[in-house]
Amino acid sequence: GAVVSQHPSRVICKSGTSVKIECRSLDFQATTMFWYRQFPKKSLMLMATSNEGSKATYEQGVEKDKFLINHASLTLSTLTVTSAHPEDSSFYICSATPAGVTSYNSPLHFGNGTRLTVT
Amino acid sequence: AQKITQTQPGMFVQEKEAVTLDCTYDTSDPSYGLFWYKQPSSGEMIFLIYQGSYDQQNATEGRYSLNFQKARKSANLVISASQLGDSAMYFCAMRDHTGGFKTIFGAGTRLFVKA
Repeated sequence: GAVVSQHPSRVICKSGTSVKIECRSLDFQATTMFWYRQFPKKSLMLMATSNEGSKATYEQGVEKDKFLINHASLTLSTLTVTSAHPEDSSFYICSATPAGVTSYNSPLHFGNGTRLTVT
Repeated sequence: AQKITQTQPGMFVQEKEAVTLDCTYDTSDPSYGLFWYKQPSSGEMIFLIYQGSYDQQNATEGRYSLNFQKARKSANLVISASQLGDSAMYFCAMRDHTGGFKTIFGAGTRLFVKA
């Protein structure tokens, strides 16, 4: 149980275009999803907390207008990288915890990540 | 403030031997959870083991055990009988009530298992 699907797994786009990444909880509902970014050989850095039905909470230093997050339903959150540039190239990975069990003792369930390359 | 520290960028272990990956943490919240994740080269994050701040005993899951020393704020992962498939990045993580239960990760340790 607790499967998170992320799509696409890889995407290459041209500089200046926008890319949308989807994160779906397949067998549970998630009021909260988390988006992380990972540079090569580095740790996961939390970008934002996606809240169903309300605005996302962004971490300090993350541009809200560049990384648009929408959490329209209890099973879907999307991250849109707007006007992408080569420095946005990275591994983006989403995670979720089933609704109602979000607590300090609940592990995150991760999607398989999206490798974005901006040329 | 939350903080997770992993000081071993890379570790080598001989197949079938045990290895300990270090993790220290800091938080002012008395209620927190500590987690270890494995990330193979393919990129997915695999949850391995959990330890709660109020747990009296060390957590164990198969070949994985967590050496929890609360007073020292350490939560080291022990992998017994290492296998070649254990070669991967390992991340220590912590979750508390900060900012809606967000989880932070350490820098990671790359484990190499030698045949």
